[in-house]
Amino acid sequence: GENVEQHPSTLSVQEGDSAVIKCTYSDSASNYFPWYKQELGKGPQLIIDIRSNVGEKKDQRIAVTLNKTAKHFSLHITETQPEDSAVYFCAATTYNFNKFYFGSGTKLNVKP
Amino acid sequence: DVKVTQSSRYLVKRTGEKVFLECVQDMDHENMFWYRQDPGLGLRLIYFSYDVKMKEKGDIPEGYSVSREKKERFSLILESASTNQTSMYLCASSSTSKSGTGNTGELFFGEGSRLTVL
Repeated sequence: GENVEQHPSTLSVQEGDSAVIKCTYSDSASNYFPWYKQELGKGPQLIIDIRSNVGEKKDQRIAVTLNKTAKHFSLHITETQPEDSAVYFCAATTYNFNKFYFGSGTKLNVKP
Repeated sequence: DVKVTQSSRYLVKRTGEKVFLECVQDMDHENMFWYRQDPGLGLRLIYFSYDVKMKEKGDIPEGYSVSREKKERFSLILESASTNQTSMYLCASSSTSKSGTGNTGELFFGEGSRLTVL
């Protein structure tokens, strides 16, 4: 089955700096890669996703890049704000969307 | 606003007890999922269901069973709770309906049920 590895497990940045979280996957059949943000006491929520036919996608301060050859994808957050502090999960799945394989999570702390 | 509701936010049970975790979604989604969240392990799939009365094992089904008698409700059952089942349990739902550019596959999560087994 698919194996998704996520690094780093914790990340601390100063407000206004950029943050990068990286994930690798093992199954070349995976073709949809979402990122979820989990705030304290809440369930994860989708913040951005990318499909395998696209190399990069951007939504305001967040962007995701995908390198299919190397089987890795990354989340980039620019101009970080304290409200970006949360746990972020990457995931991989195929287009049947029945089984999502999640990374182990990254706890991002943005210091004011 | 879409909503996935988990009936209990916090539960404390004793070893050997039968535990029911209930989840209801109001989005008419076909797919429903139960995940377990543990520090450093991410979210691991226990069971999922793609239709009423249908279920499939995820990656860690041992010690768990599920029930989906109605489209909107998906229950997780621990037949005999053990201390290693102490965890956060997350329910999610998603749609298989195609719209626009196709299936979004977005998972909508509940707020979680934190289970402690003593």
